[in-house]
Amino acid sequence: TQLLEQSPQFLSIQEGENLTVYCNSSSVFSSLQWYRQEPGEGPVLLVTVVTGGEVKKLKRLTFQFGDARKDSSLHITAAQPGDTGLYLCAGAQTGTASKLTFGTGTRLQVML
Amino acid sequence: GAVVSQHPSWVICKSGTSVKIECRSLDFQATTMFWYRQFPKQSLMLMATSNEGSKATYEQGVEKDKFLINHASLTLSTLTVTSAHPEDSSFYICSARDDRLGDQPQHFGDGTRLSIL
Repeated sequence: TQLLEQSPQFLSIQEGENLTVYCNSSSVFSSLQWYRQEPGEGPVLLVTVVTGGEVKKLKRLTFQFGDARKDSSLHITAAQPGDTGLYLCAGAQTGTASKLTFGTGTRLQVML
Repeated sequence: GAVVSQHPSWVICKSGTSVKIECRSLDFQATTMFWYRQFPKQSLMLMATSNEGSKATYEQGVEKDKFLINHASLTLSTLTVTSAHPEDSSFYICSARDDRLGDQPQHFGDGTRLSIL
């Protein structure tokens, strides 16, 4: 059973556009991570958020953790072709030996 | 730092063959390693968690006799897919973490693509 639903599942945009990816759950997470994965490679950690309402910025990427720690969003400003990839959120719950539950994934394609 | 290496990166074999995948932490010691499976265009699904020197903990629905996991040292875990069949074809990814250092992220390998003919 998937606990983390991401939307949209697929997004194709032009270079320079802005976009937001959402990660939603009915469960509370002690922390939430965002990863980007390229074809044939493992996921690469982008950020970890741990406090409800927390906002973190990584260059053109802005990550927000929901106040109730059940949801998160990733906003990309002025997308570039190099942002193309599979974006995955992953949550860790207290008391589950810090296992990660991965979201359903959002595949982003940024075209020239 | 925190590099995890998987080998092989791609393997093709005949149905009925057993295949071993290695996951090594190159510059740190991994008290815990995780094995994931990823089907095309889908997310990662946790298969099992292994702790050095003890038996792996498998997620519900994962056959432990089918997917043998060994974590005999702090730098190496192996996943053996026994008597592999075409439905076992997938992308297998490991991650590693040193739990002795407190709250640490998982460091992921680059995955192994397994194709069973």
